[in-house]
Amino acid sequence: AQSVTQLDSQVPVFEEAPVELRCNYSSSVSVYLFWYVQYPNQGLQLLLKYLSGSTLVKGINGFEAEFNKSQTSFHLRKPSVHISDTAEYFCAVSLAGGSYIPTFGRGTSLIVHP
Amino acid sequence: NAGVTQTPKFRVLKTGQSMTLLCAQDMNHEYMYWYRQDPGMGLRLIHYSVGEGTTAKGEVPDGYNVSRLKKQNFLLGLESAAPSQTSVYFCASKNPDYIANTGELFFGEGSRLTVL
Repeated sequence: AQSVTQLDSQVPVFEEAPVELRCNYSSSVSVYLFWYVQYPNQGLQLLLKYLSGSTLVKGINGFEAEFNKSQTSFHLRKPSVHISDTAEYFCAVSLAGGSYIPTFGRGTSLIVHP
Repeated sequence: NAGVTQTPKFRVLKTGQSMTLLCAQDMNHEYMYWYRQDPGMGLRLIHYSVGEGTTAKGEVPDGYNVSRLKKQNFLLGLESAAPSQTSVYFCASKNPDYIANTGELFFGEGSRLTVL
């Protein structure tokens, strides 16, 4: 079975600063990796995903993530955050090509201060 | 295109009362899921369905029942609500990877349930 660890429960940052939200996973087989964002009082929406190919994945709102197989990581980055990026971010993993039960991390709350 | 729609969005119950949350998706997805979200706990899978007429238990199924009589609908029932079931409930859907190899879940906007 796969598992996901989001290393930080909360990340405070000032506006226009860079940010990295960390995600590590464990699995004995190939995986798909996802980052979802949840704005206050809303559902989750897909930010970006890695299925195969290039290990650097670009998503919406200027976010990107890099799949590192040797370190089993999929960290999310943004070079300059905005107040509107304040949200909960979830990393998720599923088995490549065959799983119907994705596993979610516990979430990281990104708090952007003016 | 509505996507995934949950009703109701808010509900207050007294301990012991019953209720049903309805999830409807218009994307012809095979798989549907019910999660609960609690502070510091992330998303926990309650029940899921891999097709019409099928259901299976997830990580935290106790106190809940589900039904998938129609492909587009997935119902979550609480027979006798308890304060521990106060939570935000999310429905999600997707297609199997062999149909649409995109992998991601599509979520509803959530249903906030309070049990007094």
